[in-house]
Amino acid sequence: AQSVTQPDIHITVSEGASLELRCNYSYGATPYLFWYVQSPGQGLQLLLKYFSGDTLVQGIKGFEAEFKRSQSSFNLRKPSVHWSDAAEYFCAVGGDTGGFKTIFGAGTRLFVKA
Amino acid sequence: NAGVTQTPKFQVLKTGQSMTLQCAQDMNHNSMYWYRQDPGMGLRLIYYSASEGTTDKGEVPNGYNVSRLNKREFSLRLESAAPSQTSVYFCASSAVRQVEAFFGQGTRLTVV
Repeated sequence: AQSVTQPDIHITVSEGASLELRCNYSYGATPYLFWYVQSPGQGLQLLLKYFSGDTLVQGIKGFEAEFKRSQSSFNLRKPSVHWSDAAEYFCAVGGDTGGFKTIFGAGTRLFVKA
Repeated sequence: NAGVTQTPKFQVLKTGQSMTLQCAQDMNHNSMYWYRQDPGMGLRLIYYSASEGTTDKGEVPNGYNVSRLNKREFSLRLESAAPSQTSVYFCASSAVRQVEAFFGQGTRLTVV
């Protein structure tokens, strides 16, 4: 069965420090992988996506993620966090298996301290 | 630049009341979705519509019905609201299945 695990419910980093948010997935075929960000009171916005090809993908707002098939992971990174990055981040997995059920992780809330 | 528009943004219902959440997208997308978001559980798919004229159940369909009125609009109906349906509801759309979804700003529903 498809599943997405985000092991960290919340993370606190200092402004200017690097960030890595973890995501592990379970999927029976080649996955489509996504990272979304949700600011308070807002809907979700796509940060980046992986369908195929280069396993290091670049997204908006300076984020990147690396797909590691052997580890079933798709971790999100940013070299230097800004206070405006404080939000909730969701990893999601889907795929072209005939279904429509993109599965979302439970989310990781990022706090940024000055 | 409207994207996906949901109405209302907030709603309080009494147990047993009914209501319809409205969703419209102006991106000419084929697929539309309704999710609910609960603390610690991420987003769970309630219903989806692969294309105009079709609807299918998602992960948590019980207590809900949907209508794909036309290509732009996809509504979610609660026939008899229950406190367990207190949640934030998001509508989303995508050009085709499983690719990038665009989300509305959500409806915060409280059932008392």
